[in-house]
Amino acid sequence: QVQVQESGPGLVKPSETLALTCTVSGGSVNSGDYYWSWIRQSPGKGLEWIGYVSYDGTSNRNPSLKDRLSVSLDTPNNQFSLKLSSVTAADTAIYYCARYHRVQGWFDPWGQGILATVSS
Amino acid sequence: EVVMTQSPVTLSVSPGERATLSCRASQSIGSHLVWYQQKPGQAPRLLIHGASTRASGIPARFSGSGSGTEFTLTISSLQSEDFAVYYCQQYDHWPPLTFGGGTKVEIK
Repeated sequence: QVQVQESGPGLVKPSETLALTCTVSGGSVNSGDYYWSWIRQSPGKGLEWIGYVSYDGTSNRNPSLKDRLSVSLDTPNNQFSLKLSSVTAADTAIYYCARYHRVQGWFDPWGQGILATVSS
Repeated sequence: EVVMTQSPVTLSVSPGERATLSCRASQSIGSHLVWYQQKPGQAPRLLIHGASTRASGIPARFSGSGSGTEFTLTISSLQSEDFAVYYCQQYDHWPPLTFGGGTKVEIK
């Protein structure tokens, strides 16, 4: 079965770029049925969809983050990545990667999440 | 952006009792609604999609209903493992995909 796992630094300085990677196992990112997605959850708060990248490299992003966000696909390594620039304390959150079914609209599976803290 | 509003914020229920959770969309989303369960320290878990279709492996005590702007998740007889936070998510009008603020089901 498909599994996804986030990796990356847990601490980022204000104004710098947060870079996270999600590794997919048990399946291929080269599938037209799914979008490879990022969701975040601020401490004690709800869930916010960040964006996705498709098998062909096309992406879509939350308009609230659009100018700062880049999502990309690394097909040979079966990974996808997130880069969020000019981070502030408001970007401190648990970042999840997940597979999104493009027709049925659900996220599954999810990674365990990685806490990214923005602090000097 | 479609705003998803869940109520109540906290629901206190005794084990074995029925729990009814509500999710309201700011505009009609048809049946394009998903429910998730999240336990402390864990990622959300897919429960129901298409407003009423249980995901693989989800017990029959979980059921979803509704369409348009009003949706309900019902847990027919709460088990100890069901105490958690539940989120709804719409996928009709996006970007962005949006989630509700969650309902915490706690032991009464």
